Amino acid sequence: DGGITQSPKYLFRKEGQNVTLSCEQNLNHDAMYWYRQDPGQGLRLIYYSQIVNDFQKGDIAEGYSVSREKKESFPLTVTSAQKNPTAFYLCASSMTYNTEAFFGQGTRLTVV
Amino acid sequence: QQPVQSPQAVILREGEDAVINCSSSKALYSVHWYRQKHGEAPVFLMILLKGGEQKGHDKISASFNEKKQQSSLYLTASQLSYSGTYFCGTEYNYGQNFVFGPGTRLSVLP
Repeated sequence: DGGITQSPKYLFRKEGQNVTLSCEQNLNHDAMYWYRQDPGQGLRLIYYSQIVNDFQKGDIAEGYSVSREKKESFPLTVTSAQKNPTAFYLCASSMTYNTEAFFGQGTRLTVV
Repeated sequence: QQPVQSPQAVILREGEDAVINCSSSKALYSVHWYRQKHGEAPVFLMILLKGGEQKGHDKISASFNEKKQQSSLYLTASQLSYSGTYFCGTEYNYGQNFVFGPGTRLSVLP
């Protein structure tokens, strides 16, 4: 079955630690995205990648980093510089940039 | 700039109709609609491109009024399965960052 997989579903980290969220897709999509979802604020774009080996900052990139070394993978690292990292993180992919997006099930990160 | 969605929340009885609006202060190139059920991933509903087209599938349709810089999502004869949060996403120019609205929570009661 084709789809987009995020892992883990829940993640707990201590303050000051970096943490990496996994996102894998087998849909052969060129574009991939990371969103952060907080209650009442919709989805905010962190980073996006239109093609392998290229990525761009979204609206709230500070404190995050990504890589796109393989077409199917777009991991997100939440660094210790992110002031308020506790949130629900969603990864998505689309055939090309800004077309129909398919979302993963999300990772809920809690930093204590 | 984030689009404005209205209403913020709506409660319906099964079989009733609803309209959700998505408004922008800037001219739009495209509007995307997604639905997210509680605890699940958002699911794509439809994309509308500037030109005033209307789209729909099943009993959910949408329009795009370029002049008003607004899109509306129409849910007719609502079913329990329509419950969830509806997000519009806007693209102001082709290839620019895509911005989601804050969402409209729809609850359909039996």
